[in-house]
Amino acid sequence: AQSVTQLDSQVPVFEEAPVELRCNYSSSVSVYLFWYVQYPNQGLQLLLKYLSGSTLVKGINGFEAEFNKSQTSFHLRKPSVHISDTAEYFCAVMGAGSYQLTFGKGTKLSVIP
Amino acid sequence: DGGITQSPKYLFRKEGQNVTLSCEQNLNHDAMYWYRQDPGQGLRLIYYSQIVNDFQKGDIAEGYSVSREKKESFPLTVTSAQKNPTAFYLCASSIGGSNTEAFFGQGTRLTVV
Repeated sequence: AQSVTQLDSQVPVFEEAPVELRCNYSSSVSVYLFWYVQYPNQGLQLLLKYLSGSTLVKGINGFEAEFNKSQTSFHLRKPSVHISDTAEYFCAVMGAGSYQLTFGKGTKLSVIP
Repeated sequence: DGGITQSPKYLFRKEGQNVTLSCEQNLNHDAMYWYRQDPGQGLRLIYYSQIVNDFQKGDIAEGYSVSREKKESFPLTVTSAQKNPTAFYLCASSIGGSNTEAFFGQGTRLTVV
């Protein structure tokens, strides 16, 4: 079984400042990792994914994440946030051979003008 | 346009009534999923289906039922046995396999009064 911990439930940040949203996972097998974004009353949209290869993954809207196997982390970063980045962000993990995508509890990012 | 359609967006029911949430996809995906989202809880898996006429329970299947008679459709019935049915319900689909991303519908907000 897999589990995901998002270490911060809320993150306020000023516009144009950098941000890091933290995600740690646990699994007894190799994993695939995902970050999704959710705007109010909407479904989830994929930001980026790590399947294999380079540990630095670039996604949409200027976001990137780094897979760190030794620290079992997959933190999401953006060098300069915009007001439109205000949303809830979910980290998710799927174990190799599994069909179940396990989500963290989410981090609400609030960008302050 | 290809995608996942959930209907209705908002649904109100009286306590004790069964209600069925619709999910249709035209992405030709084999796998489909139902998640429940509550504030601060992240997404929890209710049921998933890897192929037509087959489905498996997720982490919180009690009080719910599904069917998968067609590849495109995966309706979820919230029964009167579900103790706390008021929530935001999200349907998703994927090609199948553990290294594929899930695509989400826009969700149905169910309120039971």
